[in-house]
Amino acid sequence: QSALTQPASVSGSPGQSITISCTGTSSDVGSYNLVSWYQQHPGKAPKLMIYEVSKRPSGVSNRFSGSKSGNTASLTISGLQAEDEADYYCCSYAGSSTLGVFGGGTKLTVL
Amino acid sequence: EVQLVESGGGLIQPGGSLRLSCAASGFTVSSNYMSWVRQAPGKGLEWVSVIYSGGSTYYADSVKGRFTISRDNSKNTLYLQMNSLRAEDTAVYYCARDSELLWAFDIWGQGTMVTVSS
Repeated sequence: QSALTQPASVSGSPGQSITISCTGTSSDVGSYNLVSWYQQHPGKAPKLMIYEVSKRPSGVSNRFSGSKSGNTASLTISGLQAEDEADYYCCSYAGSSTLGVFGGGTKLTVL
Repeated sequence: EVQLVESGGGLIQPGGSLRLSCAASGFTVSSNYMSWVRQAPGKGLEWVSVIYSGGSTYYADSVKGRFTISRDNSKNTLYLQMNSLRAEDTAVYYCARDSELLWAFDIWGQGTMVTVSS
């Protein structure tokens, strides 16, 4: 059960846009549109930001968007704000034998 | 209010056992797909186990044969029985709800810390 691959860190200035990638394989990200993204502030529980690749739960800002191409999913945050500084994790369904797999996480710094 | 509250964490010696609880309010545990997700200190999230609404259970390879997920419908509570604990099981354990089996965890507990050390 290898973790999905995310960049360790990304950064951007307020108002800019950033994209976090999440690379899996044809057995997980590439085969299912069941990719979700989570935001986690220090010492807090994760919060669901995106599900089914590109859907936003009620209450999540439309500055957050998701997409997928092949074995790589992406989370884009536009109009960066200081409160977006957090760790972000992707998650994908990986079939009936492995079930769920998370990415290693990406630390977003708002400069 | 829809919420999950975990309990049962603590310090345990290698080889020992511990049972975590996750009490739900505002929704019915047995009607949802409930998972345990853990996070080792300073590390990322790791999916551990899931119990489907129909009762089927599944585990990550790292805990298979040692951990057991279950629920008590009368108490609306999820459990994780952890046996043969190892140092690498040290983590914050979260319970999380996936209401439609979309592998999207929309409700999380606050987490309970498990430390395996002699």
